[in-house]
Formats: sequence, C-alpha cells, structure tokens
Amino acid sequence: QKEVEQNSGPLSVPEGAIASLNCTYSDRVSQSFFWYRQYSGKSPELIMSIYSNGDKEDGRFTAQLNKASQYVSLLIRDSQPSDSATYLCAVRLIQGAQKLVFGQGTRLTINP
Amino acid sequence: ETGVTQSPTHLIKTRGQQVTLRCSSQSGHNTVSWYQQALGQGPQFIFQYYREEENGRGNFPPRFSGLQFPNYSSELNVNALELDDSALYLCASSLGPLDLYEQYFGPGTRLTVT
Repeated sequence: QKEVEQNSGPLSVPEGAIASLNCTYSDRVSQSFFWYRQYSGKSPELIMSIYSNGDKEDGRFTAQLNKASQYVSLLIRDSQPSDSATYLCAVRLIQGAQKLVFGQGTRLTINP
Repeated sequence: ETGVTQSPTHLIKTRGQQVTLRCSSQSGHNTVSWYQQALGQGPQFIFQYYREEENGRGNFPPRFSGLQFPNYSSELNVNALELDDSALYLCASSLGPLDLYEQYFGPGTRLTVT
C-alpha cells in the first residue's frame, strides 16, 4: 500500500463548479497535511496546510481532514480556468526525518 | 515567489558524470530539504539538512550527497549519473525541521542525463 494515495485523474470540472480532490494516507500517526498546486513545468506551490480534524478555509479553498478515516480533501469553490493544474497531497511523517511524503497528484482541468 | 532560489535552471549531463545543484533558502529559514520529481510523479524525499547537519535521508543511494553552509544555502551532489536520474530536482526551505513548519519550494533544476 502506498503511503499517500491520490486519484491521478484527470478530473474535469466546469467553470464555476466545486472541484473536490481526495487523498488517503497509511500512517495513522501522521499529524501534518499539505496541499500543493503545480502548474505544468513549474514547481509545487503551497496552498493549504491542515493539522486538526475538521475544515480549514482560505478564500475559495477548503481543506478537510478526518484522521480516523485517514483522509484529507481539498475543495475549490467557484473553480476558474486558472485553477487547472496538478494538485499534490503531502503528509508529514512523524517517525524518522521530517520529510514530506507526496501522492502522485491529481490533474485538474477547469472547462470554461 | 517563495524566496527560494535554485541554480542552474536546466542541465544536461552524460551518464557517469557528476553534477552539483545549488539552493538558497528563504531568508530566516535554517532547514533545506531536497526532492526528486520524475515526470508524472510526486516529489520523492532525498534528504534534509538542518543547521549544516543531515537530518534524515530517503531511499536514495550514497552517490546522492549534500552539504549545507553556514548561511543555510545547500548543495546536492550526484555522482556516477544514471539515465534514471533524469528528473526535476526541488529544494524546499522551512523555518525549522519540526512538523509544524511548512516547506516552500524553489523553482527546481531540470536535469537530463543522456
């Protein structure tokens, strides 16, 4: 089982709709979770971090964390064509080094 | 812009050669982590440096080595390059090594091994 799993997509969403991106992780003791956005040919850009169960909102983005189900998601409201990118879920493992373990990313396309 | 810089932007090397990649961390950040991102994959952790010491290493062979300098900038060295080393190499800086600190990536170095 992979440590962090995401549906690779592509996920296609009409402009103005809600895009929902999902991620599951295997390490039950993980405490820190991050969403990065990566445009083609560019480096990952941090969008959100979340550490506690529940929802965290930042503008059009909402991160949701459920540690019991080992599940973290990212919702993008009022999706714009500029949101078209690959979204990477990353989990910070407690044991060993403070490395980030990434999923393979979900490619999101917003259709005008 | 994260304030993290990397050089060079692109690099082409031949199998068996050695390469050095450089990273300058964001002002105030004392921790640098290096990642390798193959096409279509998420970044994979290579190692982390905190206050000039290696602070953990991923599943990469010893021919991947690094340094961190007193100003917290860092180098990644790869010896005996292999074709599979072709990838985007990313460095990320953070305020510290603890899990509450977010990591911010530089623009990356695209390495091609022929």
